[in-house]
Amino acid sequence: GAVVSQHPSWVICKSGTSVKIECRSLDFQATTMFWYRQFPKQSLMLMATSNEGSKATYEQGVEKDKFLINHASLTLSTLTVTSAHPEDSSFYICSAPGASGGYEQYFGPGTRLTVT
Amino acid sequence: GENVEQHPSTLSVQEGDSAVIKCTYSDSASNYFPWYKQELGKGPQLIIDIRSNVGEKKDQRIAVTLNKTAKHFSLHITETQPEDSAVYFCAATNNYGQNFVFGPGTRLSVLP
Repeated sequence: GAVVSQHPSWVICKSGTSVKIECRSLDFQATTMFWYRQFPKQSLMLMATSNEGSKATYEQGVEKDKFLINHASLTLSTLTVTSAHPEDSSFYICSAPGASGGYEQYFGPGTRLTVT
Repeated sequence: GENVEQHPSTLSVQEGDSAVIKCTYSDSASNYFPWYKQELGKGPQLIIDIRSNVGEKKDQRIAVTLNKTAKHFSLHITETQPEDSAVYFCAATNNYGQNFVFGPGTRLSVLP
């Protein structure tokens, strides 16, 4: 149980275009999901908290108009990188708290974004 | 806010030896401390966790110890195997369902 999937696993896009990344909780419902960004050989940095049915909460320094988050259902959150630039190239990972009521969080497999 | 430090940044051990990774945290309110293993190109995988009301937890070759007074916790891997080679991250949080603050990671290499 507690499986989180992401799609796509990798994507290449051109500068100026937008790309959408999906995060799904496969066997449980998640009212909250978290989006992290990880640059090579670095740790995970929280970008935003996605809340089902309400606006996302962004961390300081993360542009909410550039990284659009939508949490339209209890099993799906999406992150759209708008007007992508090469510096947006990174590994994007989502996570969701498990349904057991504990503190555990389960991470998706990540999405490698390359902007050319 | 919470700050998590992790040492060492890289660690090489011979197969069969033990590996120890240490983390310190700054927020005394933090009460949950998971450890994640991340293989190249994959998402983090939870390997063990500990809550603040427990001093030690063990799962086969993996154990975690927590010292609340000193605000540090450690991951212990015994009888290391080449498949243990990965990047390990510690994390801390003070609230159920909230995001984690991660340490910078430790790259563990187990040499055959």
